[in-house]
Amino acid sequence: GENVEQHPSTLSVQEGDSAVIKCTYSDSASNYFPWYKQELGKGPQLIIDIRSNVGEKKDQRIAVTLNKTAKHFSLHITETQPEDSAVYFCAASMAFGNEKLTFGTGTRLTIIP
Amino acid sequence: DTAVSQTPKYLVTQMGNDKSIKCEQNLGHDTMYWYKQDSKKFLKIMFSYNNKELIINETVPNRFSPKSPDKAHLNLHINSLELGDSAVYFCASSQGSRGAGEQYFGPGTRLTVT
Repeated sequence: GENVEQHPSTLSVQEGDSAVIKCTYSDSASNYFPWYKQELGKGPQLIIDIRSNVGEKKDQRIAVTLNKTAKHFSLHITETQPEDSAVYFCAASMAFGNEKLTFGTGTRLTIIP
Repeated sequence: DTAVSQTPKYLVTQMGNDKSIKCEQNLGHDTMYWYKQDSKKFLKIMFSYNNKELIINETVPNRFSPKSPDKAHLNLHINSLELGDSAVYFCASSQGSRGAGEQYFGPGTRLTVT
């Protein structure tokens, strides 16, 4: 089955700086890679996703890059703000399989004012 | 206009009891899921239903039994609760049965077994 590794487990950055979270996956058949943000006491919320037919996707201050050959993908947050503090999860699945998402172990991001 | 709702939000019970968690989605989605998040925040899928049909059943003890009375509801019943069942349980839903799309998560149910 799919295995997703995520690094780092904790990350602290100064407000305004950039944050990068990296994930690797094991199943070359995976072709859908979402990122979720989980705030304290809430359920995970999708913030951006990428499919295997593109290498990069941006949405305002967040971007995701995908390297299918190396089987890794990354989340980039620029101009970080205090409200970016949360736990971030990467995930992988086969877009046309049974929609089983395999999650990474999470990164606790803290933005230092 | 909550998209995915769960009840109760908190559940404290003793070992050996039987309890249920209810989930409802008003998004018109075809697929619903149950996830377990342990104390280290690790999220793992337990079950998935598409139009009331079980499509994912991970290696979960058979003390856990999902029930989907219709495609808008997916309940989770747990028999003979154990200390290790303490976790946050999330319900989620997504559109379609064969195409990955955004999964919408509920607010979670924090289960504490004493």
